[in-house]
Amino acid sequence: AQRVTQPEKLLSVFKGAPVELKCNYSYSGSPELFWYVQYSRQRLQLLLRHISRESIKGFTADLNKGETSFHLKKPFAQEEDSAMYYCALGHTGFQKLVFGTGTRLLVSP
Amino acid sequence: DVKVTQSSRYLVKRTGEKVFLECVQDMDHENMFWYRQDPGLGLRLIYFSYDVKMKEKGDIPEGYSVSREKKERFSLILESASTNQTSMYLCASTMNTGELFFGEGSRLTVL
Repeated sequence: AQRVTQPEKLLSVFKGAPVELKCNYSYSGSPELFWYVQYSRQRLQLLLRHISRESIKGFTADLNKGETSFHLKKPFAQEEDSAMYYCALGHTGFQKLVFGTGTRLLVSP
Repeated sequence: DVKVTQSSRYLVKRTGEKVFLECVQDMDHENMFWYRQDPGLGLRLIYFSYDVKMKEKGDIPEGYSVSREKKERFSLILESASTNQTSMYLCASTMNTGELFFGEGSRLTVL
């Protein structure tokens, strides 16, 4: 069965500190991993996907198949990064995604 | 820009009432989804549809049904609302790219 685990409900850091939001997955096939973000009073939107291997808003995420992880990282957090972050798992072919329980990131000045 | 529009942002219903949540997308997407979003539980898939008149159960379909008569419209139906269906409901669509486009959500309160 597909499963996504985000162990932290809340992550609180100060501005300028490094951030790592953890995501572990369980899937026997070839996974596609995504990070979605929901800013206050905005709709949920795609932040980045592992297949594109790009940095968005300073965030990066590397798929580690050995550890079945897809942690989201940013070296220097900004206040505008405060949001709810969801890790999501899909598989090739059909894009039904399984979401984690989410981590709320709070960046304080 | 892709637009996914949910007709009702806030609804208050009584236990036992029938509830319709409507979702329309304007980008000719094949796939549409209904999720519910609850604190601590994340997003859970209720139903999805990959074509007109086609539907499949998600992880928590009990108490819900859906309708997709036209490609752009996907409706979620609560036949007899119950208090445990109080939640935020999110509609999404995609064209098999892995990027889901979400609506703003419909917050349903069942009294």
